[in-house]
Amino acid sequence: GENVEQHPSTLSVQEGDSAVIKCTYSDSASNYFPWYKQELGKRPQLIIDIRSNVGEKKDQRIAVTLNKTAKHFSLHITETQPEDSAVYFCAASTRGGGADGLTFGKGTHLIIQP
Amino acid sequence: GAVVSQHPSWVICKSGTSVKIECRSLDFQATTMFWYRQFPKQSLMLMATSNEGSKATYEQGVEKDKFLINHASLTLSTLTVTSAHPEDSSFYICSAPRQGPDTQYFGPGTRLTVL
Repeated sequence: GENVEQHPSTLSVQEGDSAVIKCTYSDSASNYFPWYKQELGKRPQLIIDIRSNVGEKKDQRIAVTLNKTAKHFSLHITETQPEDSAVYFCAASTRGGGADGLTFGKGTHLIIQP
Repeated sequence: GAVVSQHPSWVICKSGTSVKIECRSLDFQATTMFWYRQFPKQSLMLMATSNEGSKATYEQGVEKDKFLINHASLTLSTLTVTSAHPEDSSFYICSAPRQGPDTQYFGPGTRLTVL
């Protein structure tokens, strides 16, 4: 089955700086890669996703890049703000977001230092 | 955006009892729903895929007789934890995929504590 590795497990950055979280996956058939933000005790919230026919996607301060050859994808958050503090999970799926369950990475605890 | 609800939001039960958790898609129909389990400070692990009108599909290592899943309608899936034990204490979260954006929307989760 699919295996998703995520690094780092904890990331502390100064407010206003950029944060980068990286994930690798094992199944070359995976074609859908969402990123979720989860606050303590809450549900995961989709923040951005990318599909295998796209190399990069951006939404305001958030961007995701995908390298299918190397089987890795990354989340980039620019101009970080205190409200960005949370746990971020990457995930992968082989049949798009709807038809398949997601395999998650272990998560990154992002801490924004004021 | 799409809304998925869960009930109850938290439950405390005695060891050996059964607990039912409901997952509903409120503004769209879902022929498939997914159940995940999340232990404290850990990631989400897919437990099973709930299919409307047919049997659920369980991930390797998940006991189907312990975690009963019923997809009663296009908007409701239930997970019953049978003969619950303290090691079943966890955060159970469902998700439902929606066509169009073709992505999964998560419920708010159910915190199960087994004494």
